Order: sequence, then structure tokens, then C-alpha cells
Amino acid sequence: EVQLVESGGGLVQPGRSLRLSCAASGFTFDDYAMHWVRQAPGKGLEWVSGISWNSGSIGYADSVKGRFTISRDNAKNSLYLQMNSLRAEDTAFYYCAKGGSYEVNWYFDLWGRGTLVTVSS
Amino acid sequence: QSVLTQPPSASGTPGQRVTISCSGSSSNIGSNTVNWYQQLPGTAPKLLIYGNNQRPSGVPDRFSGSKSGTSASLAISGLQSEDEADYYCAAWDDSLNAWVFGGGTKLTVL
Repeated sequence: EVQLVESGGGLVQPGRSLRLSCAASGFTFDDYAMHWVRQAPGKGLEWVSGISWNSGSIGYADSVKGRFTISRDNAKNSLYLQMNSLRAEDTAFYYCAKGGSYEVNWYFDLWGRGTLVTVSS
Repeated sequence: QSVLTQPPSASGTPGQRVTISCSGSSSNIGSNTVNWYQQLPGTAPKLLIYGNNQRPSGVPDRFSGSKSGTSASLAISGLQSEDEADYYCAAWDDSLNAWVFGGGTKLTVL
């Protein structure tokens, strides 16, 4: 079955760190770019970060640049998001999304169910 | 404030045709294709339209997309109750080197 499964979300204090993971299955993982997209409760979608098939091209939203790091392990069919210096405004559902091709500027054609990150003291 | 502008809400009765607009600029919609996502209540988003007007396998042909200049539209014909959802447009932005989304349109089927 073609699917993406996120994990690693939870409650974390402001200023602390959290690492999200996304396990991919059912497709050739290293043929595609991957992304993280978040959605604050009751709000719209916001692209967080994307990584090309070979990690050669990486992009971040200005809101997370310098604090978040995206990475992938093609041997493990896995995508990661290291989130440091977390702020209350980072509270959101974080979705893993598959790109439509190998570079980051293609549409997202498969989404996971999301994992909730809550930043609060 | 979203980079792409969508109306916050839209509505229609069963069987009607509804359109949702998405306005951008030369660095996003004006120079790249537009994609649309449907988010049913309590679920993850799903790709609805890609490349301005292409439907992924399984998406009914009641859904169609178009683009002109720096604006795009999603049209839903033969509106059904199960179409009640949030709809988002998105495009790559060459100036920001980032994906940008519209704020989303909540579609209500009356």
C-alpha cells in the first residue's frame, strides 16, 4: 500500500527540540522529493520545508529557517524534520508529503495523516 | 496573510456549479503551474488538480481547474454533499524559492 506515516509529535516546552519522522512505503522513495507541510489548529496550510530526491536541493519557509532541519535516509525510506528552538507558533499538525517528481518544485501527490506538535509550557 | 488570495467561503446547492478563485503574482501563479488540494473535515489534504488543469486518477471530472495570468480558478459542477470541504490553491514562488498556499476556501453545500 502506498502510504506515509508520521511519528514523533507531542507536547514540548518552548525553546526545546523535537524530531519528526515519516516512514514511506509502496513507492520508490528515492525517486521523489519530499516535504513537510503544517497546519495550525483551525488554520490554513503552510509549507515548512522540502528536500530533493538526493538531498541536493533543500528549502525552508522563512518562519523556520535556521531552526528546523530537513533530512532523508533513502536506505530507510524515511524523512525527518529536526525542530529546534520551538515556539508557541510552531504548534500545528505536521504532514509529510510526497513530491510529484524528484525536485522540490513539483506538486504534493501523497500526504500522510499528520502528527500533532504542541509547544506549551 | 497568505501569499495567494482565496475567498474564505463559498456555497452552493446540490447540482449547482461553484467556482473558487485564487489570485497571486508574477513570481508564483504568473510563472508556475497551480495545484489545488481538497481537505475533507478531520482528514489530511488530498491532491485535487495539478498542473493548472490535470486531474489525478480517481478525481471525478466534475472538478476542473484553469489559469489565466496571475489568477487561477477551481470549478466544481454537479455539486454534491460530499464536496463540502476546505479547498487550497498552491504554487511554487520563484522569488521566495518556496511553496505558497492560499488561505483556503470553506465550501458549504446548502
